[in-house]
Amino acid sequence: DTTVKQNPRYKLARVGKPVNLICSQTMNHDTMYWYQKKPNQAPKLLLFYYDKILNREADTFEKFQSSRPNNSFCSLYIGSAGLEYSAMYLCASSRGTGTTGQLYFGEGSKLTVL
Amino acid sequence: GEQVEQLPSILRVQEGSSASINCTYENSASNYFPWYKQEPGENPKLIIDIRSNMERKQTQGLIVLLDKKAKRFSLHITDTQPGDSAMYFCAASPITGNTGKLIFGLGTTLQVQP
Repeated sequence: DTTVKQNPRYKLARVGKPVNLICSQTMNHDTMYWYQKKPNQAPKLLLFYYDKILNREADTFEKFQSSRPNNSFCSLYIGSAGLEYSAMYLCASSRGTGTTGQLYFGEGSKLTVL
Repeated sequence: GEQVEQLPSILRVQEGSSASINCTYENSASNYFPWYKQEPGENPKLIIDIRSNMERKQTQGLIVLLDKKAKRFSLHITDTQPGDSAMYFCAASPITGNTGKLIFGLGTTLQVQP
């Protein structure tokens, strides 16, 4: 099974409210990523976990949090949603880092903040 | 810089003809260049990739070319079919060597007309 599952597929949130997105994979991949995709923009890496080590991009460092309670699950947490968070959030996983790991993407979680 | 420019943004071709999408990257140390296809309502899927030690790779009607000197890579779809209609993203992996830390282009919408 090479699927990456994301929940929820669609999320409506009010400004100022928290949002939690969930991702899971059963491929025993040690790296899991979260990308943000807005219309007419390229997918943008927000953060990734290699095993238990979290790496966050500098420009999104304070906006997103994540946890990875075990190898299969990874969450993306927004403490207080703003309008600018409306986007598609793509989770992906890969086996290892370095020039070996093909990324497998989930179907995305579309977040709309009102 | 780590930008990836992708052109064209929209490409319309007749069934049976070829289609070409071009990408340029800024970081000369980039060493991994995947191409993803995303159909409506589905997740992006890797269709072909090329590493910096190659100049050409071909698989099942897809050809990718890499010109490291010009920092340019391209995807060529021969004998296009309606099923090739989708969004295509190119990406480049920057100096860290982590193939998950991909910098994506803005995407190309390919429309194959019967």
